[in-house]
Amino acid sequence: GNSVTQMEGPVTLSEEAFLTINCTYTATGYPSLFWYVQYPGEGLQLLLKATKADDKGSNKGFEATYRKETTSFHLEKGSVQVSDSAVYFCALLKAAGNKLTFGGGTRVLVKP
Amino acid sequence: EAEVAQSPRYKITEKSQAVAFWCDPISGHATLYWYRQILGQGPELLVQFQDESVVDDSQLPKDRFSAERLKGVDSTLKIQPAELGDSAMYLCASSLEQGASYEQYFGPGTRLTVT
Repeated sequence: GNSVTQMEGPVTLSEEAFLTINCTYTATGYPSLFWYVQYPGEGLQLLLKATKADDKGSNKGFEATYRKETTSFHLEKGSVQVSDSAVYFCALLKAAGNKLTFGGGTRVLVKP
Repeated sequence: EAEVAQSPRYKITEKSQAVAFWCDPISGHATLYWYRQILGQGPELLVQFQDESVVDDSQLPKDRFSAERLKGVDSTLKIQPAELGDSAMYLCASSLEQGASYEQYFGPGTRLTVT
């Protein structure tokens, strides 16, 4: 079946540090890949997505590249802010399906 | 900006009691999803509607959970009887249509605590 594995948190960083959150997936075919962010007390928000191999999704300074050869979709940001403190979820959606499969989430805490 | 509305935001109930959650999707969105998010884990799909029809309820514990979307707009998720293991965040999401091309928009969730 489909599955998503992401690094466990919490990840604690200082402001302006570089952030990487690893995400790998298992799926048949060519799924679409997503990163969602959940701020405290709020629902999930789509951060970025990529729908085919070698696509790069980007938003708000975050980037992730769909790597089919390594079945990965790692999230990166060059300089984090305190406001980036949240839980980040990697997810996949099969090409012919409708069900998002989520990873377990990675909590990120950015300290001033 | 249109949002998915959910109520209540928080619910505490005793085990064996009945509990219900309500979701109002973004206007015009045909597809509605209910997810369960256990603390420290990612959301898992419970049920998906396309208009008023159930598309996928394979992960819904049907002996105690039920969901309906009678007029193809808002939706209710019910648990009867509630068990301690049902304590979780229940998230509702909607999208314009089914498929990867259509973003799922999530509501703020209902946090359920069963005592």
